[in-house]
Amino acid sequence: DAMVIQNPRYQVTQFGKPVTLSCSQTLNHNVMYWYQQKSSQAPKLLFHYYDKDFNNEADTPDNFQSRRPNTSFCFLDIRSPGLGDAAMYLCATSRRQGTTGTDTQYFGPGTRLTVL
Amino acid sequence: AQSVTQLGSHVSVSEGALVLLRCNYSSSVPPYLFWYVQYPNQGLQLLLKYTSAATLVKGINGFEAEFKKSETSFHLTKPSAHMSDAAEYFCAVSLNKFYFGSGTKLNVKP
Repeated sequence: DAMVIQNPRYQVTQFGKPVTLSCSQTLNHNVMYWYQQKSSQAPKLLFHYYDKDFNNEADTPDNFQSRRPNTSFCFLDIRSPGLGDAAMYLCATSRRQGTTGTDTQYFGPGTRLTVL
Repeated sequence: AQSVTQLGSHVSVSEGALVLLRCNYSSSVPPYLFWYVQYPNQGLQLLLKYTSAATLVKGINGFEAEFKKSETSFHLTKPSAHMSDAAEYFCAVSLNKFYFGSGTKLNVKP
């Protein structure tokens, strides 16, 4: 089945120690997204890639970066995790249909990040 | 800018009772409206999607939603709640990106 895969499902890191989360997709979608979701809150968009074009949300901290080496894979790098970065990180994909709107987003299972 | 309001951060129903989760969006009609469900420690799963083809949209697990332009609403309903419906539900509108509501946690009592 076509799907969005995130690894690892659970990640523990130390304060200030760089961490990378990965996402892969078999849907062949143009767009890949990274969201941060804290407890009992809606997902917050960090950035997205439309093909190779990177789009950063204005309020995404510089501590968060992303790479998309090919259509299937996308990585989230947190350069110096703080306690406030502990959250669920969700990857999603979609096809972009023109400029009138974003089509259905398909989400991975998420990676829960703990910062000690 | 688009905004999405979900009234009631927590809703509790008895098993077998009607489920009604409310969603209102800001006045300009968005191209797409969605409902997603999220179980603990899982990603978001699509329940249903409105694309202007029909105002009453049927989704998975017996859920449906009705688009009402006059009320700028897209409420989610299910005639009979099941224990397995306990989860968090998010309404979203789509323009250049998704705008999510704040979510409603559904509790189902036996």
